[in-house]
Amino acid sequence: EPEVTQTPSHQVTQMGQEVILRCVPISNHLYFYWYRQILGQKVEFLVSFYNNEISEKSEIFDDQFSVERPDGSNFTLKIRSTKLEDSAMYFCASLQRGNNEQFFGPGTRLTVL
Amino acid sequence: KNEVEQSPQNLTAQEGEFITINCSYSVGISALHWLQQHPGGGIVSLFMLSSGKKKHGRLIATINIQEKHSSLHITASHPRDSAVYICAVNYGGSQGNLIFGKGTKLSVKP
Repeated sequence: EPEVTQTPSHQVTQMGQEVILRCVPISNHLYFYWYRQILGQKVEFLVSFYNNEISEKSEIFDDQFSVERPDGSNFTLKIRSTKLEDSAMYFCASLQRGNNEQFFGPGTRLTVL
Repeated sequence: KNEVEQSPQNLTAQEGEFITINCSYSVGISALHWLQQHPGGGIVSLFMLSSGKKKHGRLIATINIQEKHSSLHITASHPRDSAVYICAVNYGGSQGNLIFGKGTKLSVKP
């Protein structure tokens, strides 16, 4: 069964460093999402992406964040200068057009020291 | 503000018990989702509903659009059902982002 994959599973970084989280969505899906979950809190929407551009973003998704689909298969989330409060689990999800069910990746746990 | 509220926050049950988890939301939605999150963190979609009722194995999900309320039922619960169950909604169109509830942590004891 097709699945969304994410790498790395765990990333540890120093405050101020740039990180890139990678996702490979399901191949025939057209809509892509990033969510995050701070430990002990609910999952929060960050950004959605369709047709090579951002379709919606939350107030969390500030200028430190960016997304890209560089090669038609990977979907990346970049955090330019990480802060302690960026420590969270980051989930990628993808959606096939005309179907509401989003498929989630296993997540990347980001720890900022 | 679009809110998704779940109850209870925590639930402990004995194996075999019938379990109900509730979800309410504040404004009209295009779809409601029930998700399962295991201790490792991964999220799995269980149901997507826009009306009525769906059943998959021992899991049943219902939604009442007028009441803005949904329930997830687990019949004959088993320790392997132990997980966090999350209600999430699409407020926008069918491709809209999800707004999540805080989740219900279920623990089923043998």
